[in-house]
Amino acid sequence: DAKTTQPPSMDCAEGRAANLPCNHSTISGNEYVYWYRQIHSQGPQYIIHGLKNNETNEMASLIITEDRKSSTLILPHATLRDTAVYYCIVREPWGAQKLVFGQGTRLTINP
Amino acid sequence: GAVVSQHPSRVICKSGTSVKIECRSLDFQATTMFWYRQFPKQSLMLMATSNEGSKATYEQGVEKDKFLINHASLTLSTLTVTSAHPEDSSFYICSATEIAGAGELFFGEGSRLTVL
Repeated sequence: DAKTTQPPSMDCAEGRAANLPCNHSTISGNEYVYWYRQIHSQGPQYIIHGLKNNETNEMASLIITEDRKSSTLILPHATLRDTAVYYCIVREPWGAQKLVFGQGTRLTINP
Repeated sequence: GAVVSQHPSRVICKSGTSVKIECRSLDFQATTMFWYRQFPKQSLMLMATSNEGSKATYEQGVEKDKFLINHASLTLSTLTVTSAHPEDSSFYICSATEIAGAGELFFGEGSRLTVL
């Protein structure tokens, strides 16, 4: 079973920051927070992951609360191409550890 | 980033036939690959974990005799849907992680199977 909870859908205006929340209150000490997104009829795309420190890359920023029970993915300047289903997943970072998907958040970027 | 390729991207077959889907890691070695399937407007459901050189581990409720998985090399895993039926029509997706990577899984483009 997925160990994360996300809102089923969100809307954001183009050019604004999109902030996607995720609750993972049962996360264990060895588990990282991963974010993926899936654009319609494509395979999921890796976005970012982190353990406890905030992370930033060319796609997004990941803010993890100090108690690690929740996190927020931030797309700083959303574009129409960011419309997708975003999945927040907790997982240990070892190769054989499977990724269990929850229902994700369907983010719609509006012009 | 690492590239995972699936083939075919789309396949249509008749009921009762078998279909093979390939998953390749193009620029890295993967001891473990995962197979998912996804029905319309639903999330990805993990079917099985494919380990190079050993038998796959199937999730509860997934028939191992119907969904044959072979992981013969560090860059190739195959999923064969045997005696396919219309209810097997779905989007099948594989993923893989680098042996010495930072833990992120990379996904293929997916294979859409339609069984008539």
